[in-house]
Amino acid sequence: EVPLVESGGGLVQPGGSLRLSCAASGFNFSRYWMHWVRQVPGKGLVWVSRINSDGSSTSYADSVEGRFTISRDNAKNTLYLEMNGLRVEDTAIYYCNAQFDPWGQGTLVTVSS
Amino acid sequence: DVVLTQSPLSLPVTLGQPASISCRSSERLVHSDGNTYLNWFHQRPGQAPRRLIYRISNRDSGVPDRFSGSGSGTDFTLKIGRVEAEDVGVYYCMQGTYWPPTFGQGTKLEVK
Repeated sequence: EVPLVESGGGLVQPGGSLRLSCAASGFNFSRYWMHWVRQVPGKGLVWVSRINSDGSSTSYADSVEGRFTISRDNAKNTLYLEMNGLRVEDTAIYYCNAQFDPWGQGTLVTVSS
Repeated sequence: DVVLTQSPLSLPVTLGQPASISCRSSERLVHSDGNTYLNWFHQRPGQAPRRLIYRISNRDSGVPDRFSGSGSGTDFTLKIGRVEAEDVGVYYCMQGTYWPPTFGQGTKLEVK
């Protein structure tokens, strides 16, 4: 059983929106802080956002503040990342993780005209 | 943001030989709670990262004991006792003491 599975990535035009999902299973999702980390293919890891266990507190990297929104539904064991105002530089593989262990397999977001 | 500088960036190693990766921080990574939140990750080609070590020297479940972490303050090291073929890929250090969490630029380990 894979503990975290991301979905929702794809090709979008600059200025567009996407909603990523991260489905959790096999562990007590509601007890973990969750994070999104992104990686331009072939490049390094960059932290994007985090949410605490009950969803009452969030934080963001400066590069996405005001454009991205992290949320969670503990009843559905699912984490989300709503991405608006997408830019070419947001193109990356987006990984979710539970306090940095475990990680999902990632979903690719491509922003291009 | 805290800057983590890894060296070397490329590490060719003969199978069965040891390997060592350094991670230096621009700030001391001791948290006000007394812990040092320095982690190490391994990413195989085409796969997601996997955490190997947390809080400097604690191995995650299932991580072979040939992997060890050490260090304090601003200087940290990941050592592999004897490199095996499955150890190829990129290794990253990461600090969680300060917001935002930041990663080193990565060290690519390859077999000679």
